[in-house]
Amino acid sequence: AQSVTQLGSHVSVSEGALVLLRCNYSSSVPPYLFWYVQYPNQGLQLLLKYTSAATLVKGINGFEAEFKKSETSFHLTKPSAHMSDAAEYFCAVSESSGNTPLVFGKGTRLSVIA
Amino acid sequence: GAVVSQHPSRVICKSGTSVKIECRSLDFQATTMFWYRQFPKQSLMLMATSNEGSKATYEQGVEKDKFLINHASLTLSTLTVTSAHPEDSSFYICSALEGRRGGEQFFGPGTRLTVL
Repeated sequence: AQSVTQLGSHVSVSEGALVLLRCNYSSSVPPYLFWYVQYPNQGLQLLLKYTSAATLVKGINGFEAEFKKSETSFHLTKPSAHMSDAAEYFCAVSESSGNTPLVFGKGTRLSVIA
Repeated sequence: GAVVSQHPSRVICKSGTSVKIECRSLDFQATTMFWYRQFPKQSLMLMATSNEGSKATYEQGVEKDKFLINHASLTLSTLTVTSAHPEDSSFYICSALEGRRGGEQFFGPGTRLTVL
């Protein structure tokens, strides 16, 4: 079975500050890991995904995440927060690169303060 | 490209009635679609996997007779909540699998169901 834990249901940062959203996973098979962003009243948009290639994954909008097997983590970072980054972020794990269902974390709401 | 729509975006119904939610892949064909349910402040939970032309596969604990899924074409899957009750009130999200892009899932905007 697979599971995801997102630490912190709400994270607040100042504009221009570092964004760090934490995600830890549990998987009995080599995992595929994803970060999605959800803006109000919109669907989930893929930010980035790890598919067993490079451990440091770069995504859209300046986000990146690093896969650390020893820590079973896949934390999402962005060097400088922008107001438009305020949204709900979901970490997810899957047994494949996308054609199997995703197991989601509970989500982290990111607020950006001017 | 790779847009998934859901209709309606929001529905309010009386207890005991049935509600149909549509999930459409607008610019690609999707042999597989997934239906998720999201409770407030909780994660998305997979309800069922919908495969075009065959019966849906339901997750443990999901009543297949209550949540009817039909995937009659490569661009449309429907979820019908039969005899809805207030506890069925939730946010329902579908995703469609785009095979040509390495199997990436694209998500619809969700449907907010409120049962009175």
